[in-house]
Amino acid sequence: GNSVTQMEGPVTLSEEAFLTINCTYTATGYPSLFWYVQYPGEGLQLLLKATKADDKGSNKGFEATYRKETTSFHLEKGSVQVSDSAVYFCALSDGYGQNFVFGPGTRLSVLP
Amino acid sequence: DSGVTQTPKHLITATGQRVTLRCSPRSGDLSVYWYQQSLDQGLQFLIQYYNGEERAKGNILERFSAQQFPDLHSELNLSSLELGDSALYFCASSAIGAGGLNEKLFFGSGTQLSVL
Repeated sequence: GNSVTQMEGPVTLSEEAFLTINCTYTATGYPSLFWYVQYPGEGLQLLLKATKADDKGSNKGFEATYRKETTSFHLEKGSVQVSDSAVYFCALSDGYGQNFVFGPGTRLSVLP
Repeated sequence: DSGVTQTPKHLITATGQRVTLRCSPRSGDLSVYWYQQSLDQGLQFLIQYYNGEERAKGNILERFSAQQFPDLHSELNLSSLELGDSALYFCASSAIGAGGLNEKLFFGSGTQLSVL
């Protein structure tokens, strides 16, 4: 079945550092890929998405590129802020609503 | 605000009891998903409903059941509760994209269940 693997963290960075959170997936067909973010005490919210190979999703300074050849969707941000402290989930969907699969989440702490 | 409403926000109960968690999806969303989030298991998919019918089933225990009503709200029923059922339970609804495909999930803020 479909699955998502991501670095579990926790990841601790200083403000303005570069962030990479790795995500790889296993899926049949052509899944859509997502990054969701969960701030303390809140539900998950969509950060960015990509629906086909080589698409780049971006939002709030975060980027991720759908790499079919390496089955990866790594999240990057050039300069993190304290307000980026949260748990980040990589996820995929087969696009037909049958199955959204989430990775285990990566906790990010950004120190001032 | 995601537009997905979950009640109650917190629930404290004892082992062996039964509870009902409620979810109202975003206006117009036909699909409702239930997830369980715990420290050791991460985010686990439980079940999905689409327009009143069960669409997909994940790691849902037999002691748990759910339904989606004609007004599209959903309830998750947890019975014979055990200590290990303590977790954060999320409901999500999905938006249907122009191609008829589910593009993304909108999550509620969750119900924190504590079984003592």
